[in-house]
Amino acid sequence: QSVLTQAPSASGTPGQRVTISCSGSSSNVGTNNVYWYQQLPGAAPKLLIFKNDQRPSGVPDRFSGSKSGTSASLAISGLRSEDEANYHCAAWDDSLSGAVFGGGTKLTVL
Amino acid sequence: QVQLVESGGGVVQPGGSLTLSCAASGFTFSSYVMYWVRQAPGKGLEWLALIGYDGNNKKYNADSVKGRFTISRDNSKNTLYLQMNSLRTDDTAVYYCAKDPAMKGSGGAWFDPWGRGTLVIVSS
Repeated sequence: QSVLTQAPSASGTPGQRVTISCSGSSSNVGTNNVYWYQQLPGAAPKLLIFKNDQRPSGVPDRFSGSKSGTSASLAISGLRSEDEANYHCAAWDDSLSGAVFGGGTKLTVL
Repeated sequence: QVQLVESGGGVVQPGGSLTLSCAASGFTFSSYVMYWVRQAPGKGLEWLALIGYDGNNKKYNADSVKGRFTISRDNSKNTLYLQMNSLRTDDTAVYYCAKDPAMKGSGGAWFDPWGRGTLVIVSS
């Protein structure tokens, strides 16, 4: 049981916009920055979004992050087949004094 | 470029011990907080531990680790370690090391980059 809640799966067709949500609480998402990681099949996770809505260099602007209250979202516009991956949200939890993750959302491009 | 390479994984019997290593290169290792994160087969990511840049600050996932795992580092060797004792079948996972991008630590869940991971299988 993950501390942050994500839907286990999402899907979309090429060119579509999809949104992946991450729900937490006041001790984690509500207070601290949210990070998103993309994990392609068979690969290690890779940083996708940092500090809620910032993109590292090299990440296409099709990817965007947002946060409101105790929830965060990752949006992917202009969906492409290479976006098919698992997406994980993470935040620091002040009560647990540790980082916590969502269970991950497997995105399928139909 | 920044590179992290884990090693030390393998098959171990329940109750056994294993030490994982993470060799770092491409940055000033002694200036950055480091982490261990694991992923059980078909499951999500689980944060295990962090260690401060100078080795003096350590935090653990109490629920998962419960005094069984110890994180350490040797800044003279640019290497991060995870000593794992009393291993259980549910410790079977790919173990990743990761770096905090902020010098002296960001205090969050900011992991970049990650190593490729090393697989630990706990089985009799």
